[in-house]
Amino acid sequence: DTGVSQNPRHKITKRGQNVTFRCDPISEHNRLYWYRQTLGQGPEFLTYFQNEAQLEKSRLLSDRFSAERPKGSFSTLEIQRTEQGDSAMYLCASSYGQETDTQYFGPGTRLTVL
Amino acid sequence: GIQVEQSPPDLILQEGANSTLRCNFSDSVNNLQWFHQNPWGQLINLFYIPSGTKQNGRLSATTVATERYSLLYISSSQTTDSGVYFCAVDRMDSSYKLIFGSGTRLLVRP
Repeated sequence: DTGVSQNPRHKITKRGQNVTFRCDPISEHNRLYWYRQTLGQGPEFLTYFQNEAQLEKSRLLSDRFSAERPKGSFSTLEIQRTEQGDSAMYLCASSYGQETDTQYFGPGTRLTVL
Repeated sequence: GIQVEQSPPDLILQEGANSTLRCNFSDSVNNLQWFHQNPWGQLINLFYIPSGTKQNGRLSATTVATERYSLLYISSSQTTDSGVYFCAVDRMDSSYKLIFGSGTRLLVRP
């Protein structure tokens, strides 16, 4: 059981730069989710995929954010023209895709925008 | 949208003490999970418990779906129990996205 993995674990960037994060879900999981967590708060939903289809996006996901899951396996989250307010922990989770199932989270990518 | 409230927000215990954490939610749910977030930020699954009672070692949880609350019990606390405990739910008509409470920050002193 390899669990959900995320890379990189930490990213420091300058305002205005683009960044991309990767998530590898548990291998047999069909659903993949992205969440964002700021200091002192609980995680907030950003978007989710059923296989390769992106089925829902939060209003938090501005047009500077884009997520893909091209072959229904790993996913990438790209932030263009980063702003200081994008500084947060970005968490990925996956689940089997049953009607009622458990989401398992990766270790997260901590983004700092200077 | 659905509201998730956790109490208490902060809790300090002496090692060996017992505690009860509460999660109230404002609508019917399909899924309820309890997580422990360690100091490195990793969310660790504790329980998947939309209803009923479960136990795992020193931890147990009870969800009363009809009254829209869940309780997490920690017995004989250890310093390694320190961290933030989150309750998260998804609504019955939702897309399975989890809505998190703001957490209970637990510090267990030796």
